[in-house]
Amino acid sequence: DTGVSQNPRHKITKRGQNVTFRCDPISEHNRLYWYRQTLGQGPEFLTYFQNEAQLEKSRLLSDRFSAERPKGSFSTLEIQRTEQGDSAMYLCASRSTMGGPGYTFGSGTRLTVV
Amino acid sequence: DQQVKQNSPSLSVQEGRISILNCDYTNSMFDYFLWYKKYPAEGPTFLISISSIKDKNEDGRFTVFLNKSAKHLSLHIVPSQPGDSAVYFCAATTLGTSYGKLTFGQGTILTVHP
Repeated sequence: DTGVSQNPRHKITKRGQNVTFRCDPISEHNRLYWYRQTLGQGPEFLTYFQNEAQLEKSRLLSDRFSAERPKGSFSTLEIQRTEQGDSAMYLCASRSTMGGPGYTFGSGTRLTVV
Repeated sequence: DQQVKQNSPSLSVQEGRISILNCDYTNSMFDYFLWYKKYPAEGPTFLISISSIKDKNEDGRFTVFLNKSAKHLSLHIVPSQPGDSAVYFCAATTLGTSYGKLTFGQGTILTVHP
């Protein structure tokens, strides 16, 4: 169990640029989640994958956001035309269907849009 | 709307004493509750959980109490240690629906002084 890995750890980008984050979940975990955390707030749900299928998306996920999980392995979260309001910590988490409801979170990608 | 609330942004406790962190929720569909701990620059780490069919769950120094009628839960840490200093998040979910999506509170910063 190597944990949930997220890359990059930090990303600084100019407003209007596109960014992509990667998440490698724990290998036997079929459920993968993306959350966003802003300063002073708890993590907010963005989207959920079961294997390669994206089964739920939050209203927070505007048209500029897209997430994929090809072949049910790693996942990517892309933000197009970034805005300053996108600055946040993006957290990925995974769990097994057979396990308890608790997730294993990665360390997150901190995005700063300047 | 904030369905899970942690009304105390911070708590300061002396080493060896009890820390009590509180959490309130409004959604009566929630039936499983979790506490996560988060250190700076790391993702949240699962700490302890409780099902709505119980009113108490204990794991070492950590005990979670659930009062369903008041829609309130609390985390007790006894005795508190300086290494417990972190941000604590309360989270809730509805088992069997919502694909395991967690709704988090805003967090409470716990500082344990030596």
